[in-house]
Amino acid sequence: SQQGEEDPQALSIQEGENATMNCSYKTSINNLQWYRQNSGRGLVHLILIRSNEREKHSGRLRVTLDTSKKSSSLLITASRAADTASYFCATPPNFGNEKLTFGTGTRLTIIP
Amino acid sequence: SQTIHQWPATLVQPVGSPLSLECTVEGTSNPNLYWYRQAAGRGLQLLFYSVGIGQISSEVPQNLSASRPQDRQFILSSKKLLLSDSGFYLCAWSAGPPVETQYFGPGTRLLVL
Repeated sequence: SQQGEEDPQALSIQEGENATMNCSYKTSINNLQWYRQNSGRGLVHLILIRSNEREKHSGRLRVTLDTSKKSSSLLITASRAADTASYFCATPPNFGNEKLTFGTGTRLTIIP
Repeated sequence: SQTIHQWPATLVQPVGSPLSLECTVEGTSNPNLYWYRQAAGRGLQLLFYSVGIGQISSEVPQNLSASRPQDRQFILSSKKLLLSDSGFYLCAWSAGPPVETQYFGPGTRLLVL
């Protein structure tokens, strides 16, 4: 089964609104990452939050991490048409492992 | 700066034909390398990863194989393609362990007919 599960699977909002996506995971982690994928392209790393951090910001992105609930959220503020993409969370399945497990993704559509 | 290349960008192959997809990384040494497959509208499935030359870990038993003949070269192969091998193949690299940021190539879209 997937280590990460994003929710919702799809989200459509008006340009300028905020978009929130959630990720739940199963095992203990040392970091959690969010990636964006534009249609037909490779994934692009957005932000990494470590297990000892609760919140992190990068431009219009805000990520939170709740290790007690094994969940994270990605907030995109003041959305733009260019934010239309799929968003994935990713975690190492165990501490110090060499690989990441990706969630199923949230398909975000920004309506101009 | 580091860059990652994949080719070809698209490929249409008949069932039963062989496959070779290549991935190369520039600007870094001893990277961890990864092959993923993505079905249409779905998440990423890790196929293989490598932490060094000649070291390959397989995640999903199937008719695909991977090789790492050089430090920054990762090849995905098959002797006989199946219809179910169709998908979007992504190569990625990272430093580590522990794995933090992964950097992805542009992908190869494979259609098996």
